Amino acid sequence: QTVVTQEPPFSVSPGGTVTLTCGLRSGSVSTSHYPSWYQQIPGQAPRTLIYSTNIRSSGVPDRFSGSIFGNKAALTITGAQADDESDYYCVLYMGSGIWVFGGGTKLTVL
Amino acid sequence: QVQLVESGGGVVQPGGSLRLSCAASEFTFSTYGMHWVRQAPGKGLEWVAFIQYDGSKKYYADSVKGRFTISRDNSKNTLYLQMNSLRTEDTAVYHCTKGYNYYFDYWGQGTLVTVSS
Repeated sequence: QTVVTQEPPFSVSPGGTVTLTCGLRSGSVSTSHYPSWYQQIPGQAPRTLIYSTNIRSSGVPDRFSGSIFGNKAALTITGAQADDESDYYCVLYMGSGIWVFGGGTKLTVL
Repeated sequence: QVQLVESGGGVVQPGGSLRLSCAASEFTFSTYGMHWVRQAPGKGLEWVAFIQYDGSKKYYADSVKGRFTISRDNSKNTLYLQMNSLRTEDTAVYHCTKGYNYYFDYWGQGTLVTVSS
């Protein structure tokens, strides 16, 4: 069973920089997993932020960026704002028509 | 603007069945793969199923394989999820999403399925 890992609840100061990661319990994340990132305010539908590792979705501010960091995918928020306080999910394409989400990270801006 | 509107959710007893629908508009539905993604109350997102643009290939998460069937009617711009042998752990909001380049680029607001006796 594939397990995609994300950080437990995280906090960042307004204006600060935070990097959230997305890993595999067994193995390394690469661009071949087409990592993508989604922001979700509780009670709302998710919003697409980043796809194919580092491509920002339309309308997403450039303070959001994606990368591969070591053996994980990473989402970096530079200059965090109050309305960045959300749950963040990554998802990896595992091949053979299968996608697996990480458990999500709750980000607090304070 | 792409629109995805789910319907068909409700309360069903364990072992029962339900069929969800997702009406798509403002894009050429017949040329895109589509997914169902669910979220149990207070929990994270879980990918459920994917169907290729022409319906020729379908893929499922292990948790629903053999019980759920994804299908589509391109003449009606509608995606479906037939859910049989429902379990309490299937209780969730079910979102349909438009697939593009290995990610989910548009999401519906979701429909709530509650499995309870």
